Amino acid sequence: QLQLQESGPGLVKASETLSLTCTVSGDSISSDLSYWGWIRQPPGKGLEWIGSIYYTGRTSYNPSLKSRVTISVDTSKNQFSLKLNFVTAADTAVYYCTRRDGYITEAFDIWGQGTMVTVSS
Amino acid sequence: EIVLTQSPGTLSLSPGERATLSCRASQSVLSSYLAWYQQKPGQAPRLLIYAASSRATGIPDRFSGSGSGTDFTLTISRLEPEDFAVYFCQQYGSSPYTFGQGTKLQIK
Repeated sequence: QLQLQESGPGLVKASETLSLTCTVSGDSISSDLSYWGWIRQPPGKGLEWIGSIYYTGRTSYNPSLKSRVTISVDTSKNQFSLKLNFVTAADTAVYYCTRRDGYITEAFDIWGQGTMVTVSS
Repeated sequence: EIVLTQSPGTLSLSPGERATLSCRASQSVLSSYLAWYQQKPGQAPRLLIYAASSRATGIPDRFSGSGSGTDFTLTISRLEPEDFAVYFCQQYGSSPYTFGQGTKLQIK
């Protein structure tokens, strides 16, 4: 059964870089038609798509964050990662790693449990 | 960017009743790539409906989706106690993929 698990610091200082890793278990990150990505949710608010990556390294980012975001993949470790530069309090959120199924649903069918990241001043 | 507007913001119903949630898009959603997710407190969202009307694996048949173009609906035919949660719609046909602001379904 495919599972995703986020890991990384829960507290980041303003102006620094937020770094998170998602470990994929139960399947290969190199599976055809699986797109890996990040979605975030500020406390008490809605969901925002950050970006996605295919195992080949091809990425797609939300234009609202594109200048500060990098998503990368490490197929040898079955992991993908998120870096968000120059964070502010507005980046405080629960960060979910996700799988978008490009074969049947084409929707975000697998989610990690989420990890809370707080940006401190 | 496609903006999704959900209504109502909060819906108060009793178990056994029928729930109708609406999601309206600012422009036509490509190929009806519209999904619905359920989120309970402290949990990640769970995919319920994809392609506007197809139930995801393991989702009970009391959940149904309909619509096309700019107007979509999630219907829960007979509410069970575990259905009270927040529901989000999402379009994944055009990047950036966007979500509605959510409808909170609460017990009356």
